[in-house]
Amino acid sequence: QITLKESGPTLVKPTQTLTLTCTFSGFSLSTSGVGVAWIRQPPGKALEWLTLIYWDDDKRYSPSLKSRLTITKDTSKNQVVLTMTNMDPVDTATYYCAHFANSDYFDYWGQGTLVTVSS
Amino acid sequence: DIQMTQSPSTLSASVGDRVTITCRASQSINTWLAWYQQKPGRAPNLLIYTASTLESGVPSRFSGSGSGTEFTLTISSLQPDDFATYYCQHYNSYPYTFGQGTKLEIK
Repeated sequence: QITLKESGPTLVKPTQTLTLTCTFSGFSLSTSGVGVAWIRQPPGKALEWLTLIYWDDDKRYSPSLKSRLTITKDTSKNQVVLTMTNMDPVDTATYYCAHFANSDYFDYWGQGTLVTVSS
Repeated sequence: DIQMTQSPSTLSASVGDRVTITCRASQSINTWLAWYQQKPGRAPNLLIYTASTLESGVPSRFSGSGSGTEFTLTISSLQPDDFATYYCQHYNSYPYTFGQGTKLEIK
């Protein structure tokens, strides 16, 4: 059974750096074809793909956010970490991590974590 | 970036109705398209991938079709549990993008 869960701060101040951790079970990020993505959703708005990391450590980023994002994995801990710098109130959103395998549609999602950016 | 446009944005329908949601891509994405259902306060749930393949466990009243730039999600007979927001997502090339969503409401 595949599960994912996001964790991190619920409130950050403008200009601060956000660090979110996705802890998963039921799969290994060392398995060929497997990956984890981050997707966010501002309140009442649509989903936005941010970044993903593959089993071989290949990484892809949304061009509009690339300068602010970093994704890393710790295979031994079954974790993927998202870092977003210079947070702004417009970054207020629910952040989801999601699993994919062999093709880049997201078949398992975490419950999401709401991050509010406010002073 | 490839833009995904869904129509309509809101759809009012009744239990038992057949409904269709359209997703158009700004350029060809072959069949690299997924559909998700999202209920308030919940994570999205995968319904369909590669445009027409039903995810395991998804009821057969859901179906998808299309290729290239135009795609549809059809629910053959609406059930009370189907009232939710639906999103399409392409995975043809980076960056992946989602449609703006279609909210399916009870008439």
